[in-house]
Amino acid sequence: AQSVTQLGSHVSVSEGALVLLRCNYSSSVPPYLFWYVQYPNQGLQLLLKYTTGATLVKGINGFEAEFKKSETSFHLTKPSAHMSDAAEYFCAVTLYSGGGADGLTFGKGTHLIIQP
Amino acid sequence: DTAVSQTPKYLVTQMGNDKSIKCEQNLGHDTMYWYKQDSKKFLKIMFSYNNKELIINETVPNRFSPKSPDKAHLNLHINSLELGDSAVYFCASSREGGKPQHFGDGTRLSIL
Repeated sequence: AQSVTQLGSHVSVSEGALVLLRCNYSSSVPPYLFWYVQYPNQGLQLLLKYTTGATLVKGINGFEAEFKKSETSFHLTKPSAHMSDAAEYFCAVTLYSGGGADGLTFGKGTHLIIQP
Repeated sequence: DTAVSQTPKYLVTQMGNDKSIKCEQNLGHDTMYWYKQDSKKFLKIMFSYNNKELIINETVPNRFSPKSPDKAHLNLHINSLELGDSAVYFCASSREGGKPQHFGDGTRLSIL
C-alpha cells in the first residue's frame, strides 16, 4: 500500500518569495505522483504530474516539482509567490496497474497563505 | 463545456433519508471515481469504475451504492443517511488507471 505525507498543514510566505511545499511518499513499486490545487468551494485542479522520464516536471501557473527516488520526495516549488496562489495543495500517489482503475492516495493537504 | 459535472452542488437533508448524487463526464474517459472529503479536507477514495465495472470498493458502508449506467456516468446513491456522512463528495474521471484525474466541483452534503 502507498502513503503520502505532507509536512506542514499551513505554510505562509510573502508575496514574491519562494514557495516550497513538501511531500514524501512511500510505495513498494515506482509510483505515479501528482500535485493538485483546490481553491475554496471548488474541485481539484491538476498542477503537474510525474510518471516516468525527466524527474523535474513543470506544471501550470509557474509551479514545478522534482521527483527524488532516493529521498522518496516530490516537493512542489514556485520561485515567486503571487496572491492568487493562496489555496489548498494536495500531493497524491497512485500505482499504474495496466489499465486498472487505481484511485489516488492523497496527503492531508497544505494550506498556502500569501502575505502581502 | 464542463468536463466533469456533478449535481446537485449542495444537498441538505435529514438523517435517515435516501439521496443520490449524479456525475457525468464528457471527456470520453473509461474510468470514473468517487472520493469523500471530510471536514478536515482529507480526501479518500470510495469507489472506482472502469468501463462500467466496479474495480475498487474501499471500506465504505454498504449504505453507499455506486451505479454506472454507461461509461460517461457514475452516480452515488446513499441510503439511511447518518450525521457522519456530512462531507463533500467529488466525482473524478481519467483515461485509465494511473493517468491524471479530472475532478468535478463537488457536492456538499449536510445532514441535519
